[in-house]
Amino acid sequence: DADVTQTPRNRITKTGKRIMLECSQTKGHDRMYWYRQDPGLGLRLIYYSFDVKDINKGEISDGYSVSRQAQAKFSLSLESAIPNQTALYFCATSDIKSNQPQHFGDGTRLSIL
Amino acid sequence: GENVEQHPSTLSVQEGDSAVIKCTYSDSASNYFPWYKQELGKRPQLIIDIRSNVGEKKDQRIAVTLNKTAKHFSLHITETQPEDSAVYFCAASMGGGNKLTFGTGTQLKVEL
Repeated sequence: DADVTQTPRNRITKTGKRIMLECSQTKGHDRMYWYRQDPGLGLRLIYYSFDVKDINKGEISDGYSVSRQAQAKFSLSLESAIPNQTALYFCATSDIKSNQPQHFGDGTRLSIL
Repeated sequence: GENVEQHPSTLSVQEGDSAVIKCTYSDSASNYFPWYKQELGKRPQLIIDIRSNVGEKKDQRIAVTLNKTAKHFSLHITETQPEDSAVYFCAASMGGGNKLTFGTGTQLKVEL
């Protein structure tokens, strides 16, 4: 099921580099989310967007930025990556009009050396 | 904002036994409570959900109960099988399409 697609799936990079993670969806959902998952800490919300003109910070937005280029595209950037941003990142979508709950992409495993 | 607590963090059961995972939430305005299952290395996937106008919902071996007064909801898995081994997350929100607040997850291990 590739209706929420994240690229890349894996990325290894160095401290200080700028990184962009991309998410695209074919579900037609209006809302998109970026989460970070660390062992034992569950899913923590980084940023979310209710439509193209609406961007909101989540609980751990420091060090991250996002762009909602279109209804179907939501990208996450790390301006200057640091090792404690090593984690598994998930994009998710939901739809308020049809009451559809969040559906996740396959995740991006990011390692910062 | 909403706060969701989940217990236990790890749970080990014998195959065929039942497993129960419990969550509490803080915001009485929350009315939608999904449960996600995450197998190792994979995406979280919705397995069952409940809305505040019902107290219980079943889907084969899985059931969810909701006590609005106590702000508790629980996941019940009967006749557990090895393929039930995974991390389970509870969550709460106002409406099915809205922003979710997740619990910290329960690692369920079903032993043969």
